[in-house]
Amino acid sequence: GAVVSQHPSRVICKSGTSVKIECRSLDFQATTMFWYRQFPKQSLMLMATSNEGSKATYEQGVEKDKFLINHASLTLSTLTVTSAHPEDSSFYICSATKSGNTIYFGEGSWLTVV
Amino acid sequence: GQQLNQSPQSMFIQEGEDVSMNCTSSSIFNTWLWYKQDPGEGPVLLIALYKAGELTSNGRLTAQFGITRKDSFLNISASIPSDVGIYFCAGLGGAQKLVFGQGTRLTINP
Repeated sequence: GAVVSQHPSRVICKSGTSVKIECRSLDFQATTMFWYRQFPKQSLMLMATSNEGSKATYEQGVEKDKFLINHASLTLSTLTVTSAHPEDSSFYICSATKSGNTIYFGEGSWLTVV
Repeated sequence: GQQLNQSPQSMFIQEGEDVSMNCTSSSIFNTWLWYKQDPGEGPVLLIALYKAGELTSNGRLTAQFGITRKDSFLNISASIPSDVGIYFCAGLGGAQKLVFGQGTRLTINP
């Protein structure tokens, strides 16, 4: 069964609004989670590293004020896309490390901004 | 930065055929992972490799971690329709960050 769960799986929002995506580790604690974005027919691109209890670390070119990450507990990280625009429409995926170097991904969240 | 080159980018095969894909890197990784992604879903871990030279099987899948730690291959034997999808290699770099290959899109003709 799934060890990392994302919610919602699909969301449609109006341009200019904000939307929150949750990533949960189901049966383990994850001090670090990762957020990726994937455009159609492309590979996954790392957006940021979510650190429990501290600020997220963003990859070059990712706007930290637009993609707010909160890792409030050892089992939950949230990604909030603020003032969303159509070009933010994408597939957002989180991952967490369960043990050692085994990394599991969530089911992904489709965001459509209209 | 670190990059992975995955090939081939796409494959069109007949059901029952064997499949082979590989990844090479310009730098060393200590862990290689192979994932399969179905349309609209997140990647699912297939095989994890932790030691240089390691050869690991998972059912009809076999993967090897190259001796130089700069490459890995994935083989699928006797392909079946449900093998269709996109396969990604990934190297685990510093700070637990994954670096992904470009993906191999597998299409199977019945």
